Amino acid sequence: GAGVSQSPRYKVTKRGQDVTLRCDPISSHATLYWYQQALGQGPEFLTYFNYEAQPDKSGLPSDRFSAERPEGSISTLTIQRTEQRDSAMYRCASSLEPTSGQETQYFGPGTRLLVL
Amino acid sequence: AQSVTQLGSHVSVSEGALVLLRCNYSSSVPPYLFWYVQYPNQGLQLLLKYTTGATLVKGINGFEAEFKKSETSFHLTKPSAHMSDAAEYFCAVKPSGSARQLTFGSGTQLTVLP
Repeated sequence: GAGVSQSPRYKVTKRGQDVTLRCDPISSHATLYWYQQALGQGPEFLTYFNYEAQPDKSGLPSDRFSAERPEGSISTLTIQRTEQRDSAMYRCASSLEPTSGQETQYFGPGTRLLVL
Repeated sequence: AQSVTQLGSHVSVSEGALVLLRCNYSSSVPPYLFWYVQYPNQGLQLLLKYTTGATLVKGINGFEAEFKKSETSFHLTKPSAHMSDAAEYFCAVKPSGSARQLTFGSGTQLTVLP
């Protein structure tokens, strides 16, 4: 597509429920990133994919968080048994296949998650 | 570990005045440096980036930033603010090695006064 898209844009859920967020990257981009942004803070890295491989998930805050990208395109981020502290903006970004490390990351509009 | 400090969570300038948004980073080696802008209800948009070469980098919408290794800084400037520049600005760094993720500062909200 023309840009990175994310859905839903807003999600309100109750504590203890599972949620799944979706990211559709730019079609030619091999690398996909997930970030979490708390109110008043900058985005913080969660995990990233090169095609379907997930080389780094060091930023996932707990085992309740998981991500997948089974066909190397669309990715989902799932939060199980949500807690109020999970309330944040979740941002997805994509970039061309990394070669020099200088690749620009292009961000989607984000999904704002509110856990009641 | 990398870290980024943006001095001033809120900056106000008059229309036509100089914009200066400050960013300092900590890194043992010079990283790649980025400025992103976020308009309401939109994703982060790249303004400019420094990777190698010339230390003064020009970006979109008349913004520029200068990489100063001795000061570990990458401040963002624009000579004359426009009302449309009102937004939140984020400085970010990425290690020049194999790590892929960006480390962001906490952001600066720019208000432009008429």
